[in-house]
This record gives sequence, C-alpha cells and structure tokens, in this order.
Amino acid sequence: DTGVSQDPRHKITKRGQNVTFRCDPISEHNRLYWYRQTLGQGPEFLTYFQNEAQLEKSRLLSDRFSAERPKGSFSTLEIQRTEQGDSAMYLCASSIIRTGGSYEQYFGPGTRLTVT
Amino acid sequence: DAKTTQPPSMDCAEGRAANLPCNHSTISGNEYVYWYRQIHSQGPQYIIHGLKNNETNEMASLIITEDRKSSTLILPHATLRDTAVYYCIVGYGQNFVFGPGTRLSVLP
Repeated sequence: DTGVSQDPRHKITKRGQNVTFRCDPISEHNRLYWYRQTLGQGPEFLTYFQNEAQLEKSRLLSDRFSAERPKGSFSTLEIQRTEQGDSAMYLCASSIIRTGGSYEQYFGPGTRLTVT
Repeated sequence: DAKTTQPPSMDCAEGRAANLPCNHSTISGNEYVYWYRQIHSQGPQYIIHGLKNNETNEMASLIITEDRKSSTLILPHATLRDTAVYYCIVGYGQNFVFGPGTRLSVLP
C-alpha cells in the first residue's frame, strides 16, 4: 500500500536560504493539500490543488511561498528567503472526491523544517 | 476558525472504551464529520467519517446525533497505542479546518 510520501523528512536551513519540499500523493487521488503545523497546534491549511490547478490559497501563504503540481501528480512547496517563523512541520495530504461528496484526506508523514 | 468544539483532554483506562465527544452545532446539511488522530510527530491518521448515520470500521465507531449537532467517536477497547490527539472536523469539498483537538491519554 503506497500512501502519501514526503521528502525530505527533516530539513535544517539557515535564515535567508530557499527550501523545497516534495509530496507524492496516493496515485489515483486528484486532490492534493498542503498544511503547516507548529508545536501544540492543529494543522493549518496552506493551499490545495485539484489535478494541476491550484484552487485555493490561504492568507498564510505569503509571497515567499509557492506551490506547484505539474501534470497533476507530485507537488512541490518552495519557501524563499526562509525566516525563523517558518520553522514548522509541513504536511501534505491527498484525497479523491467520492460519490456523495465525501473526501477523506490521507496525510503524509510531514517534513519538519528548522530555520536557524 | 474551527467549526467544532472538543474537550482539551481526556483520560481512559486501558481496555475500556474511550468516548470522545465533539460539538458541531453549525454544521451544514451536506457537511461530513471526519475524525483524525495524530500521534506525536507523525502526520494525522484518518479514522472514520459520516454524514447522518452511525458508522463503524475496524478502528472505531462514530455516533452522530439525529440533529447532527454533535457526535461521539468510540474506541471500543483502548490500548496504550491509542494515546494521541484526536481531531473532529466538519467539511464538504474543501480544506479541513483543524481545531486544537482532544488529547487522549490511555492509562495502564
């Protein structure tokens, strides 16, 4: 069973550097979501794609953040000019819309970013 | 803001049933109720979801009140490995809004 995978699992970077994370969804899932989670909080929505189209972006997604999903398969999340406040767990999830409208999301293990 | 309210923490004795409540009084007619849990430093794990009827799977049971304004997740025989933060979410077709969840501690 191939679930959602994320790479890398951990990333330590210096302030001001750019970082890129990758997410591979479950193969038949057409929706892909990015969330951010800081210590002690629930995940917060960043953005989601349906196939290759980016349909919604949170106000949390500043102009230093960009996400892509070329060809509607894997997705990348890039953070430019990282700041210490970007330190968090970045979670990816995928889903498929079922008859009736349910869309349970399956999450990957996350990428933990530490900005020093 | 999350559309759900959950107690911040609960304890349960190992082997007993864990009953986790969730209030969602503003739920819309087409919104589903989803339950997830998150064990420390891992991604959230899907447990179960439902619309109107009670649901059961190999992990848990979901009881939704007739007016759909609240629900209860039941872990029938809690084990130490069920210690986690449990999130109740309502939604239809869009991103999930997570609240702080309920921290369940299963005690030996």
